[in-house]
Amino acid sequence: GENVEQHPSTLSVQEGDSAVIKCTYSDSASNYFPWYKQELGKGPQLIIDIRSNVGEKKDQRIAVTLNKTAKHFSLHITETQPEDSAVYFCAASPNTGNQFYFGTGTSLTVIP
Amino acid sequence: DTEVTQTPKHLVMGMTNKKSLKCEQHMGHRAMYWYKQKAKKPPELMFVYSYEKLSINESVPSRFSPECPNSSLLNLHLHALQPEDSALYLCASSPIGTGAYEQYFGPGTRLTVT
Repeated sequence: GENVEQHPSTLSVQEGDSAVIKCTYSDSASNYFPWYKQELGKGPQLIIDIRSNVGEKKDQRIAVTLNKTAKHFSLHITETQPEDSAVYFCAASPNTGNQFYFGTGTSLTVIP
Repeated sequence: DTEVTQTPKHLVMGMTNKKSLKCEQHMGHRAMYWYKQKAKKPPELMFVYSYEKLSINESVPSRFSPECPNSSLLNLHLHALQPEDSALYLCASSPIGTGAYEQYFGPGTRLTVT
């Protein structure tokens, strides 16, 4: 089955700096890669996603890159703000079925 | 509207109680999910319903019983739970089609088993 690894597990950045979270996956059949932000006491919120036919996607301060050959994808947050502080989960999903395989999460703290 | 609602927000139950968690979405999604999430861990898939039929059961103990009465509603019936079942229970929904689709999560029910 699919195995998704996520690094780092914790990340602290100064406000205004960039943050990068990396994930690797094992199953070449995976072709959909969402990123979720989970604030304390809330459910995960989809913030950006990418499919395997695209190498990069950007939405304002958030971007995701995908390297299919190396089987890794990354979340980039620029100009970080305190409200970006949360736990971020990556996931991978194969073309068939409805299952997501989640990474272990990254706790991001943005220091004002 | 990408909202999934869950009730109750918090639930405390004894090991002999029977209770139910409810989930609702009005996005026309035909796949619905139950996840269990422990503190500082990713969501762990329990059940998947596709077109109101149970399609995935991740070897969940029978003290958890899912039900999908219609395309908008999903229930999780709880009976004779153990303290280790205390967790955040998340509902999610997604479209169904060729390939994988985004899942939208509800806020969760924080369950404490005493």
